[in-house]
Amino acid sequence: DTAVSQTPKYLVTQMGNDKSIKCEQNLGHDTMYWYKQDSKKFLKIMFSYNNKELIINETVPNRFSPKSPDKAHLNLHINSLELGDSAVYFCASSQGSGGSKSPLHFGNGTRLTVT
Amino acid sequence: KQEVTQIPAALSVPEGENLVLNCSFTDSAIYNLQWFRQDPGKGLTSLLLIQSSQREQTSGRLNASLDKSSGRSTLYIAASQPGDSATYLCALSGGGADGLTFGKGTHLIIQP
Repeated sequence: DTAVSQTPKYLVTQMGNDKSIKCEQNLGHDTMYWYKQDSKKFLKIMFSYNNKELIINETVPNRFSPKSPDKAHLNLHINSLELGDSAVYFCASSQGSGGSKSPLHFGNGTRLTVT
Repeated sequence: KQEVTQIPAALSVPEGENLVLNCSFTDSAIYNLQWFRQDPGKGLTSLLLIQSSQREQTSGRLNASLDKSSGRSTLYIAASQPGDSATYLCALSGGGADGLTFGKGTHLIIQP
């Protein structure tokens, strides 16, 4: 199936640990994103990335870093996890950047719980 | 900085009714606007995308309008069904590579 898939679906870990969330899209899109949905269900962009440009939301701590081994993958690495990092993280992709005519396609999310 | 507001935050109506969800935004310099639905525990599904040059888009029982000058968009759902129950999110692109700015959503419940 063509889709945006992210793993794991659930991630429970302790404070101070380092973890990664993987994302893959087989839609042939050239731009990928990470969004964070907090406990109040508010969605906020963290990163957008294509093969030319990485845009980082200035509010994102530098403990978070995206890694893109190729155009189809954008993984999210988080160092020294904190309680406030608990949220649902969504990966998304589109053809072209936010100014494109292509709608964004989202993965099903990774629920991260930091204890 | 773009701000997106969705009203109402929650809505519960009987099955069969037509309804309107509202989205307002502060910066009219947008490239496009998208309406999404989110089901519990799931990702977002794109419903309609309106380019800044367009006034409306239709898909089945859904119709989305865009009025840039007044900073408003509406999502009209005709003949609502219980399967329409979900959270509906409005999101705008400013045309850059910095993704979409989302509203907080309208939680819709359609009573059978």
